Amino acid sequence: QVQLVQSGAEVKKPGSSVKVSCKASGGTFSSYAISWVRQAPGQGLEWMGGIIPIFGTANYAQKFQGRVTITTDESTSTAYMELSSLRSEDTAVYYCARVVVVAATYNWFDPWGQGTLVTVSS
Amino acid sequence: EIVMTQSPATLSVSPGERATLSCRASQSVSSNLAWYQQKPGQAPRLLIYGASTRATGIPARFSGSGSGTEFTLTISSLQSEDFAVYYCQQYNNWPPRITFGQGTRLEIK
Repeated sequence: QVQLVQSGAEVKKPGSSVKVSCKASGGTFSSYAISWVRQAPGQGLEWMGGIIPIFGTANYAQKFQGRVTITTDESTSTAYMELSSLRSEDTAVYYCARVVVVAATYNWFDPWGQGTLVTVSS
Repeated sequence: EIVMTQSPATLSVSPGERATLSCRASQSVSSNLAWYQQKPGQAPRLLIYGASTRATGIPARFSGSGSGTEFTLTISSLQSEDFAVYYCQQYNNWPPRITFGQGTRLEIK
């Protein structure tokens, strides 16, 4: 059974970067994708991007292109999401989720990490 | 981008009654649709994938239907633990351009 454990809450200044980690246990890390989804306070879910470790290529939502980088470290079964040029609107809970991959395409998300609150404030 | 629209935004239902939640896609997503439940302070939990297949451990009172652009999540005989926010998600694109609906809040009447 796959479990995802994320790093702790962060407080960042506008213009800085944040890097959130997501450590997987159970299953074979390289055989599934990891996606990142964020949720601003009181708002809905927003897909940011994902990566299939075995392919090593990340895909990003157009909104975050150029500002987000998703990577993995297979040696530690850990995925990372780095968001740069932070602004107050990036204050949100950031979730990682395992993506079921069928025929090299993304499908549903299960399970999800517990979430990491990133607060951007001067 | 495929836009997912959920209705209603808020649904008030009494325990023991049936709840019907809708999700509409701006273009066909075939059966590439999932439903998630989210309770306050918790991560989303997968309920349904492939539009109608219950995820492991999900009670039979949850059912999904639809294909193309119109989808429904039905919860028969609501239990107290079912009051939460529900999101639909499409995963029909490659490269992935995954989108979620804005959510339906299911509250106790």
